[in-house]
Amino acid sequence: AQTVTQSQPEMSVQEAETVTLSCTYDTSESDYYLFWYKQPPSRQMILVIRQEAYKQQNATENRFSVNFQKAAKSFSLKISDSQLGDAAMYFCALLIYNQGGKLIFGQGTELSVKP
Amino acid sequence: KAGVTQTPRYLIKTRGQQVTLSCSPISGHRSVSWYQQTPGQGLQFLFEYFSETQRNKGNFPGRFSGRQFSNSRSEMNVSTLELGDSALYLCASSSPGTQYFGPGTRLTVL
Repeated sequence: AQTVTQSQPEMSVQEAETVTLSCTYDTSESDYYLFWYKQPPSRQMILVIRQEAYKQQNATENRFSVNFQKAAKSFSLKISDSQLGDAAMYFCALLIYNQGGKLIFGQGTELSVKP
Repeated sequence: KAGVTQTPRYLIKTRGQQVTLSCSPISGHRSVSWYQQTPGQGLQFLFEYFSETQRNKGNFPGRFSGRQFSNSRSEMNVSTLELGDSALYLCASSSPGTQYFGPGTRLTVL
């Protein structure tokens, strides 16, 4: 069975600083995708960044980047120049390539941003 | 392109009733997945529909069912509602390797 674990229930960062959210996962499959989703108080789930397991290069989207360590099954999210609007619940998720549209989510990390 | 839409956004029902939730995916997407989000259990996968066929199913009782129409719109039905069914129900529209979520339907069972 596949699992996703986020060991930090809550994190806090000062505005304009950098923060890293951790995620580990477990799967015996070799083809999969990893995601970070953001869920602000509106509860809308927003895709932040996506990583394909076969790509060694870490994905980057503006201020968001990941550190993908396939052998260690680790997938952390780095947010640079944190902004007040980054405050939200962040979910790490795993999608196995040949298992259709079943996302497996971690428990989430609540990020607060201090002005 | 328009995003994923879900209706209604809010619902209040009483125990024993049934409810139907609707999801319209992004144009061109043929796969719709449904998730239940609760404070205690987090985000759990309910089922996925692709081209009008259920392709995947999570570990939920038979009271939870769904279907997909030829235009890819999907409905989810919960019969004989229980208090524990109170949750945010999210649907996601899939392109290969990515899922985009709708705003969710907040169901409260009294």
